[in-house]
Parts: sequence; structure tokens; C-alpha cells
Amino acid sequence: ETGVTQTPRHLVMGMTNKKSLKCEQHLGHNAMYWYKQSAKKPLELMFVYNFKEQTENNSVPSRFSPECPNSSHLFLHLHTLQPEDSALYLCASSQGRRGTNEQFFGPGTRLTVL
Amino acid sequence: GESVGLHLPTLSVQEGDNSIINCAYSNSASDYFIWYKQESGKGPQFIIDIRSNMDKRQGQRVTVLLNKTVKHLSLQIAATQPGDSAVYFCAENIGGTDKLIFGTGTRLQVFP
Repeated sequence: ETGVTQTPRHLVMGMTNKKSLKCEQHLGHNAMYWYKQSAKKPLELMFVYNFKEQTENNSVPSRFSPECPNSSHLFLHLHTLQPEDSALYLCASSQGRRGTNEQFFGPGTRLTVL
Repeated sequence: GESVGLHLPTLSVQEGDNSIINCAYSNSASDYFIWYKQESGKGPQFIIDIRSNMDKRQGQRVTVLLNKTVKHLSLQIAATQPGDSAVYFCAENIGGTDKLIFGTGTRLQVFP
């Protein structure tokens, strides 16, 4: 266990559905991240939040909407996704700029878009 | 553009041998590097890190070497075990940011 949990672990949704991914960290970190991992591609950074403020949006389509209500929780709201959005979505946290940049990852949510 | 790349997508080694996984990076402003291990069905797991003011760092059975002259990073695993089978990623952090740039990964296969 890394101290970062993600739910659900698996999600199948249609293109017209609305769903949300949840991430929670129990490490007292100040920064949280969403990554997308597709087959044979590097991990793609999607969003970064530092002290609940979004500091990075890596040109992510608007059908992905992040929410960070506090430093321990991070959500990714999904709406009108495409089949190519099927991937493993990983959440991570780190101390942020105050400490090391080591990121602790959750187990991921395997998303399939039909 | 900025990139982190790996020379070999798959590395096969015999149990007990040493493994070396290589990584090239291109951003001279990167000052922190991490190796992650990802097993099937799990998120990446931290193995070892190194800052740009060092050229070598050792952990338990693992050593990371950093050559800033040629922008090269390597991970050495001593006495490779079946449990070491996984995909290994290098990542670079550009100083002053929380952003990690990951490589494509190398799959390490350990045979008995």
C-alpha cells in the first residue's frame, strides 16, 4: 500500500455516460496528480493540483474535468468520453515544492469506454 | 522537444544475473530523476532517486548512475530475482516544478 487509494478499480461506461473517478491520499501531501497510461505510451500527465489549486493542465480535452476539494481528495469527472479514452488512470501525490518530488501512485482505475 | 526515452523496450535476464536498464533524457534543466517499477495491475512504485549533484546512488540491490555529460541514466539491479520482473520507468523532474516526465518503459523478464 502506498497511501494512495483509487475507486473504482475498474469502470466500463458508454460514450453518453457521466462518471467520476476518486482518489484519496493519506500521506499529508500537498500536491496531487492525474495521469493517463495507455498501452505502449509513456505516462501522460493530465492535471496537477498544489494546495488545491490547479497548476497544470496538459491540454486535456474538456470531457475530463478535475476537482480537488481539499489536499487529500482528487476527482476526475468524465463526460461524453470516446473509445480512445480507454486507459488506466493513475492518481499520485507528492509533498510538492516543499520537499522531494517523489510521487506516490495509487493502483489506478482501468477505464473502458464502449 | 523535451523527451525521456529508453533504449530497449524488453530486457530478458537469467535469475541471479545483474540487470542494467538505460534511459536518456534531453532536458538540461532537469535536476531530479526517479526510477519506478510497475507490476501488472499496480501503479508505479518508487525504487530509487538521484539528484543532479550526484553521479551515483545505491540502494538495496539497486544502483542508479547519472551521467550529465551525455544525459544518460541507468538502473542496475544486482542478482536479479523473479520478483524483479516488471516494467521499469525513468522519470525526470524539471527543477522548480512538480511535473515528472516519464519514459516509455522497459519490460524486464527474469528467467529461471
